[in-house]
Amino acid sequence: EAGVVQSPRYKIIEKKQPVAFWCNPISGHNTLYWYLQNLGQGPELLIRYENEEAVDDSQLPKDRFSAERLKGVDSTLKIQPAELGDSAVYLCASSLGGDTDTQYFGPGTRLTVL
Amino acid sequence: LAKTTQPISMDSYEGQEVNITCSHNNIATNDYITWYQQFPSQGPRFIIQGYKTKVTNEVASLFIPADRKSSTLSLPRVSLSDTAVYYCLVLDNYGQNFVFGPGTRLSVLP
Repeated sequence: EAGVVQSPRYKIIEKKQPVAFWCNPISGHNTLYWYLQNLGQGPELLIRYENEEAVDDSQLPKDRFSAERLKGVDSTLKIQPAELGDSAVYLCASSLGGDTDTQYFGPGTRLTVL
Repeated sequence: LAKTTQPISMDSYEGQEVNITCSHNNIATNDYITWYQQFPSQGPRFIIQGYKTKVTNEVASLFIPADRKSSTLSLPRVSLSDTAVYYCLVLDNYGQNFVFGPGTRLSVLP
């Protein structure tokens, strides 16, 4: 079974440029998560989707970050414009839903903002 | 919001049992506590999850006391390949935000 797929794996941009990350969850997983992980820290939840609906986006900096999950499958996370402090790893995870709701993570996209 | 603490690092030798504890308060009363392993340049990998008392699978055990204010991951006989960062994951008591612990860096020595 294929895992969570993310692309690109690495991205280097200059500040004030836009950037987008793509995630394809495990087939059949209705819940999708985007996390941010700074170096040496645990992941922090940015947004959670149940199918197409964002059910928790309280941690998403809405002035520059946006996300979408069209058709309830793939998702895109966008930053516009990027700032130096956005350099981090952006992780996508998915889960089936239900009582146990185990989250399975992709490899992440490492963003470097110069 | 749930708050979590973990030891920053631990050292062990091959073949020893390792116990890593995560303290967590203000967590949801009806959700699972989950532990993940993370290697450099990879996403977190699921190890085990539990709700209360003790859970065991082929790689680890998880102990959760009745008050659910902490959980302890037990790795029975570690090997060099278990060198990684270990995180606990909980759901806060508002039932909205998933919160990772700060992570424990385990180094297994030969």
